[in-house]
Formats: sequence, C-alpha cells, structure tokens
Amino acid sequence: QLQLQESGPGLVKPSETLSLTCTVSGGSISSSRYYWGWIRQPPGKGLRWIGSIYYSGSTYYNPSLKSRVTISVDTSKNQFSLKLSSVTAADTAVYYCVRSTVVNWFFDLWGRGTLVTVSS
Amino acid sequence: DIVMTQSPATLSVSPGERATLSCRASQTVSSNLAWYQQKPGQAPRLLIFGASTRATGIPARFSGSGSETEFTLTISSLQSEDFAVYYCQQYNNWPPDTFGQGTKLEI
Repeated sequence: QLQLQESGPGLVKPSETLSLTCTVSGGSISSSRYYWGWIRQPPGKGLRWIGSIYYSGSTYYNPSLKSRVTISVDTSKNQFSLKLSSVTAADTAVYYCVRSTVVNWFFDLWGRGTLVTVSS
Repeated sequence: DIVMTQSPATLSVSPGERATLSCRASQTVSSNLAWYQQKPGQAPRLLIFGASTRATGIPARFSGSGSETEFTLTISSLQSEDFAVYYCQQYNNWPPDTFGQGTKLEI
C-alpha cells in the first residue's frame, strides 16, 4: 500500500527557508498517472495547495506562493521536496504531502502531515 | 477566482440520523468537485470525487450529489466515527486551490 511521509525541521526562523521532504513508500514516484504535491493548513484554518510536481520534473505552483516556492523530485530516492523561502509567521502550518492524478486535480492520498512553526 | 462556500459552519446531529452538508461555488465547476473528511489531528481523507463517486474504501452511507454550482454531501445513519470536519474542493478551474472553509459535524 502506497504511503507518503513528510520529514524536516519543525522550527524555522523568520526570513529563512523552510525545507521538507516527502518519501513515497510502497510504490514508485515515477508513475505516469500521478502528480506529487504539497498542501498546508495553518492551525485551526483551512487547506491551501502549494504546488505539485510530475516525476519528470514538471512543476505547477499556486500563483499566490510561486515566487517563494520550489518543488523538486529525486526519483532515485523516491522522494520529492518543498522549499519555501523568506518565511514569516504566516507560514506556520501543518504541511501535507499529497498525490493527485494527472487527469483530475483532487488529492487521493495524503501524508500524515508535519507541523512547521516559524519563530525566532 | 472561484469561491467555495460551505454551509452550515457547524451541524449538530445525533448518531443514527442523516446529515446533509452543502457546498456552493461562485461559478460553475461542472462536476469537478471533491469532498474530504478530516478528524482532529489527522490528515484529510478523500471521500468523494466527480461530485458523486465514492473513493476507494468509503462506506456507502456517504453520497455526493449536485453539479455546476450546488453540491451536497449526505451521510445517512451517522456513525460515531463520522463526526469530523468536511471540506469541499473544486478542481475545474486552475489553480486547484479552492477549498471551502469546512463544515464541522458534531454530536
């Protein structure tokens, strides 16, 4: 059964870069059927899609965050990663890695999520 | 940008009863509408896509209906494990970022 697992620092200082990795287990990230992405949820608030990547490296970003986001993929490690630069307290959230199909942009598989707090 | 509005914000229902949750889009999204369930401390789980198709492993008591701008998630005969927050999401328009604000289903 395919699973997603987020990893990375739980605390990031303001103005620094948030870096997270998602490890895909139980299946290959190099599937032609799926995109791999990130969604975040500030404490007590709703969901916001950050961006997604195809195994070939093609990326799709939320326009509202595009200037600060980089998503990359490492097929040899079955991982994909998120970098969010110049973070502020507003970037404090639970970050989920997710999967969507290339046909439709709903999210059928989610990691358990990891809380990232931006604070000095 | 499309705005997804869910109602009510909180719905109080007794176990065994039926719950009806609504999601309205500010412009048509065809049938490109998904529903998710989120329990406290857990990730959201996909329940419904294509407005009415249950995801793998989702019990038949969950059903979705609607198209264009008006959508409904119905949970017949509520079980204790169904009390959670429910989100709708449109994926008809780019970016696929438009989630509703959620409906909390409580006992």
